[in-house]
Formats: sequence, C-alpha cells, structure tokens
Amino acid sequence: AQTVTQSQPEMSVQEAETVTLSCTYDTSENNYYLFWYKQPPSRQMILVIRQEAYKQQNATENRFSVNFQKAAKSFSLKISDSQLGDTAMYFCAFASTSGTYKYIFGTGTRLKVLA
Amino acid sequence: EPEVTQTPSHQVTQMGQEVILRCVPISNHLYFYWYRQILGQKVEFLVSFYNNEISEKSEIFDDQFSVERPDGSNFTLKIRSTKLEDSAMYFCASSWGAETQYFGPGTRLLVL
Repeated sequence: AQTVTQSQPEMSVQEAETVTLSCTYDTSENNYYLFWYKQPPSRQMILVIRQEAYKQQNATENRFSVNFQKAAKSFSLKISDSQLGDTAMYFCAFASTSGTYKYIFGTGTRLKVLA
Repeated sequence: EPEVTQTPSHQVTQMGQEVILRCVPISNHLYFYWYRQILGQKVEFLVSFYNNEISEKSEIFDDQFSVERPDGSNFTLKIRSTKLEDSAMYFCASSWGAETQYFGPGTRLLVL
C-alpha cells in the first residue's frame, strides 16, 4: 500500500525568505501523480502544484517549485519570496494512475510566515 | 472557472440522526470522491464513485455510509445514524481522470 510522510509538523519562515517543505512517499508503482495542496484557515483545499512521475522536469508555478527525486521517493515543495498569505497547512498527496485515482495524503505541515 | 460546490457549509445534528451532505461536482468530470478530515488531522479517503457505482471504499466507509448520484449532477453522502466520531469536515472532490481532483469548500459536521 502507498504511504505519504511529512516529517515536519510545523515550520516558520520570514516574509520574503525561502522555505522548503519535505514529503516522502512509498509505492511500487512507476506511474503516478504527486500534489501539494494548501489549506488556509478556511479549510478549503487549494491545489498548489502537481508533478507527473514520468516527467523528469520539476514542476514550477510562479513562486512554488518542487524537487522531485523519483529514485529517492522524495517530493519537496519550495516556496520562494514567502508572503503572509502563504500561511496555511500544506498537504502532500499521492495518486496512482491506475485504479480509482484516490488521493493518499500526508499528515501536513503547518507553515507560518512571519512579518 | 467551474468549481465544486457543497451544501450545507455547516451542519449540527444529534447522535443517531441521519444526515445528507450534498455536492455538485464539475459538470464534465467522471470521477467523484468523498474525503473526511477530523479536526487537526490529515485528510482521509472515504469513497470513490465512477460510472454510477462505488469503485472503491475505505475501512471508514462502513454500512452507515452511502453515496448516490441521483440526477446526474448532485452527488450525495448519507450517514444513516451519526456517531460522535463522525464529527469532521467532509470534502467532495471530482476529476476527469487521474490528473487533478478539484475539491469543494467542505461541510463541517458536528454531532452532539
């Protein structure tokens, strides 16, 4: 069975600085998707970034980028130029490309951006 | 931009009562999901629905739970006899395939 591990329960960063959130996963599959979702205090789940496992190139979305290491089963999220609005819970998620495509989430990292 | 909607946003119910949580997925999506998040914990998969039937369910999704897509647009989660431990945020999500699931804003359920 697949598992997703986020080993940093809480992190903080100064505004305008860069922070990296860690995620590791375990799977025997070769094709899958990985995601980072942001959950602000409203508890809405907002997609931050997505990575297809078959793509070697790391995904980027504006200030957000990932470091995808397939062999190491590692998928970290880098937030550059952190903003106060980035304060939220961040969840890493795994989805197989076979079966029902259900998400398996990590336990989350609570990020606080300090003014 | 299309979005997933959920009603109600909040529901308070007495233990043992039935509740129905409603979702309107994005219209051309084929896969539908319910997830649960107990306060302070991670988001957990409950059930997936495809081609008008359940395609997978978790251990949490016992006989007290059921899902329906009664009219081609709504997607409902029913809890037949609520327990205190059913208090959680319930998220509906939909997707075209494996790529990305779009989440609704959630229904916060409180069982007293």
